[in-house]
Amino acid sequence: SQTIHQWPATLVQPVGSPLSLECTVEGTSNPNLYWYRQAAGRGLQLLFYSVGIGQISSEVPQNLSASRPQDRQFILSSKKLLLSDSGFYLCAWSVGSGTDTQYFGPGTRLTVL
Amino acid sequence: KQEVTQIPAALSVPEGENLVLNCSFTDSAIYNLQWFRQDPGKGLTSLLLIQSSQREQTSGRLNASLDKSSGRSTLYIAASQPGDSATYLCAGGLYNQGGKLIFGQGTELSVKP
Repeated sequence: SQTIHQWPATLVQPVGSPLSLECTVEGTSNPNLYWYRQAAGRGLQLLFYSVGIGQISSEVPQNLSASRPQDRQFILSSKKLLLSDSGFYLCAWSVGSGTDTQYFGPGTRLTVL
Repeated sequence: KQEVTQIPAALSVPEGENLVLNCSFTDSAIYNLQWFRQDPGKGLTSLLLIQSSQREQTSGRLNASLDKSSGRSTLYIAASQPGDSATYLCAGGLYNQGGKLIFGQGTELSVKP
C-alpha cells in the first residue's frame, strides 16, 4: 500500500533562517507531487506541483522553492524565511493525468518568529 | 479566476440529523470534484471523488453529487455522529494541469451528542 511521509512534524524558525521540508512517498512510481500551504483562517493554496523528476511548476510568486531530486521525494525550501511563511504545509500525491484522488501527508506546522 | 465556494462556513447539528454541505465552482475547466475531511491539526483524508462523467458517489453514510452544468456539488451525511465533527473541504480538479486542485474554504461541522 502507498504511504506518504512528511518531516518534521513541527518547526519553529526565526525570521531570516533557511528552511527545508521533506516529503517522501512509498508504494507507487512516478507520482504527481504537490506542496500546499494552509495559513490560519485561510484555505489551502497550491504552491508547487511536479509531474516528474526535475519538473517543478510554481503557482504563486514567493520566496519558497521546490525540488524533486528523486522520483518519490519532494523538498520545499527557503533561503530566508519571512513571518508570512508561517502555516501548515501539506504534501500530496496522485497518479496518472491527475484525475484520480489526491492523497495527503500528515503536514508540517511551521511557525516563523 | 477559478473559484470554489463552500456554504455554510460552519454548521452545528444534533446527533442523528441528516445534513447537506454545499460546494459551488465557477470554472468549467474543473474536471472532477473531491471531498476531504480535515481534523484539527491533521492532514486531509479523501472521502469521495466524483469524475465529470459521474453524477454521484457513495461511501457508507456519505453521498456526494456533482452537477457540472450548474457548477454545484453537495455532500450528504446521513445519521450524523459526534465523530463526524471536522472541517469538510471540497476541491475541484483541473484536467491536464498535473491534477491541480482548487480548494474551497471549508465547512466546519460540529455534531453535538
